[in-house]
Amino acid sequence: DIQMTQTPSSMPASLGERVTISCRASQGISNYLNWYQQKPDGTIKPLIYYTSNLQSGVPSRFSGSGSGTDYSLTISSLEPEDFAMYYCQQYDSSPPTFGGGTKLELK
Amino acid sequence: EVKLVESGGGLVQPGRSLKLSCAASGFSFNDYWMGWVRQAPGKGLEWIGEINQDSSTINYTPSLKDKFTISRDNAQNTLYLQMSKLGSEDTAIYYCARVDAVALYWYFDFWGPGTMVTVSS
Repeated sequence: DIQMTQTPSSMPASLGERVTISCRASQGISNYLNWYQQKPDGTIKPLIYYTSNLQSGVPSRFSGSGSGTDYSLTISSLEPEDFAMYYCQQYDSSPPTFGGGTKLELK
Repeated sequence: EVKLVESGGGLVQPGRSLKLSCAASGFSFNDYWMGWVRQAPGKGLEWIGEINQDSSTINYTPSLKDKFTISRDNAQNTLYLQMSKLGSEDTAIYYCARVDAVALYWYFDFWGPGTMVTVSS
């Protein structure tokens, strides 16, 4: 299985701050990389698919980039509702695997 | 409005079986792949498997292939997860999700709220 390593595992940040979460795959995944957000109540929604495509309804402050083994999710200016868990997921090979998650916390 | 609602979770003894359901509404269920993902307490997400529109293709994560069975009933707009030989390691929230798969894209575009399964004597 492809291993996905997210860094950092937790990140204290302030409102209005720009933050970047990283995701590294154990082998190249050809941009087959998605990002999801999980709220404290457990609700999960997609943010970014195929590395950089913004899911419908997701604010434009979210963006994704990367190639090969290294990918990132950037939030340009943190809003209160952005404090949540974030997961990357590869689908280059089966089984699809998720990163360990990054908890974005209010500083 | 797309809606997915899981049910069937609860407390189950080790070694027993349990069947989860996921009721879908607000979209043409038989046009989509569907999948299951679980999350153990305090842990990350784990992909369990997926099923295509007519149930002719079902994929599982290898470690669960002999324990879990995914099925669907398109007439009832319902996805199922049959779990057998449950152990404490199967304690988790179980999510069903719709797959959006077009060309280079494959991702879960809608998720249910999840149902909790606790395996304990």
